[in-house]
Amino acid sequence: KAGVTQTPRYLIKTRGQQVTLSCSPISGHRSVSWYQQTPGQGLQFLFEYFSETQRNKGNFPGRFSGRQFSNSRSEMNVSTLELGDSALYLCASSFQGTSEQFFGPGTRLTVL
Amino acid sequence: AQSVTQPDIHITVSEGASLELRCNYSYGATPYLFWYVQSPGQGLQLLLKYFSGDTLVQGIKGFEAEFKRSQSSFNLRKPSVHWSDAAEYFCAVGPPYNNNDMRFGAGTRLTVKP
Repeated sequence: KAGVTQTPRYLIKTRGQQVTLSCSPISGHRSVSWYQQTPGQGLQFLFEYFSETQRNKGNFPGRFSGRQFSNSRSEMNVSTLELGDSALYLCASSFQGTSEQFFGPGTRLTVL
Repeated sequence: AQSVTQPDIHITVSEGASLELRCNYSYGATPYLFWYVQSPGQGLQLLLKYFSGDTLVQGIKGFEAEFKRSQSSFNLRKPSVHWSDAAEYFCAVGPPYNNNDMRFGAGTRLTVKP
């Protein structure tokens, strides 16, 4: 069974731009969660989608948004990028939203 | 409040030596417990998990962990470390039926000396 895939793997953007990251979960998994990982803050939960609905959201500004499609693929969008948004963005999928999550390789976003 | 503490930020061991990474948690109910490993620039790979039953669980790559309810601990062990084990290790706790309250520790970076 294929694992969680994330595209692109690397992104370089400038302040003020927007970015869209994509995540394809493991086949059969309907829950997709997004995390931001930075050296200073560690792993921080962004939001979770289940059956195309956002079920839970972490403590991030409204510039961070996401969506999920009917095939469970998910995208997250960050608008008006700031230097502090530079991070590794991880996507994780799980069956029915259980706490056993499987992570993708991440997208490394650098904001200049 | 729910939390996960990994007391050791960085550990260095010699190749072939034994390893123990500590994890303590605070959780209102009996949580599900996990250990993940992350190589530089990569995502997190699940090493092992504990849901219930035998408190000593075996994982991949020769790792094991022991759940001690009285100490609220879930320490990760390996009898003989290989150079390829150098990575960052994360302990995580969460409720069983949803991931809305997953908590990750800050991580322990493992360096392996030749």
